[in-house]
Amino acid sequence: AQRVTQPEKLLSVFKGAPVELKCNYSYSGSPELFWYVQYSRQRLQLLLRHISRESIKGFTADLNKGETSFHLKKPFAQEEDSAMYYCALGGAGSYQLTFGKGTKLSVIP
Amino acid sequence: GAVVSQHPSWVICKSGTSVKIECRSLDFQATTMFWYRQFPKQSLMLMATSNEGSKATYEQGVEKDKFLINHASLTLSTLTVTSAHPEDSSFYICSAYIGTDNQPQHFGDGTRLSIL
Repeated sequence: AQRVTQPEKLLSVFKGAPVELKCNYSYSGSPELFWYVQYSRQRLQLLLRHISRESIKGFTADLNKGETSFHLKKPFAQEEDSAMYYCALGGAGSYQLTFGKGTKLSVIP
Repeated sequence: GAVVSQHPSWVICKSGTSVKIECRSLDFQATTMFWYRQFPKQSLMLMATSNEGSKATYEQGVEKDKFLINHASLTLSTLTVTSAHPEDSSFYICSAYIGTDNQPQHFGDGTRLSIL
């Protein structure tokens, strides 16, 4: 069965501090991992996906198959990063997604 | 970019009534749409996968007769909550799959349903 675990419900950091949002997954096949972000009163939107290996808004995430993790990182948090972040898992070639419970990131000015 | 429109954004109604929520893909055709339910401070739970021209595939534990899904065209899927009760109050989100871009799903703004 597919499962995504985001252990932190809430993460508070000061502006300029590094951020790491944790995500672990369980999947028997070849996984595709995504990070979605939901800003206040806005729709869910894709932040990044592991196969792109790109940095979006300063965020990066590396898929670690050995540790079954896909942690989201940013070296210097900004106030505008405050939002809900969801890690999502899809099977290779599949468009269905399994979401984690989400982590609310709060950046303190 | 691909836009998914969901309507209404908020609805309040009496217990026992049926409520229809629409999900439209505005600038693309979506052969597959998804319906999620989100409880306060919790994650999105997939309710069903809606395929154009065929019956929806429901996730385990989701009542088909309670949550009727119709995907009659490539740009519209509807979710009807039949004989709604207070426990059906929730945030319902739809998404659409294009298949030709690098995103697995594009999400609507969601519909907040409150049953009195």
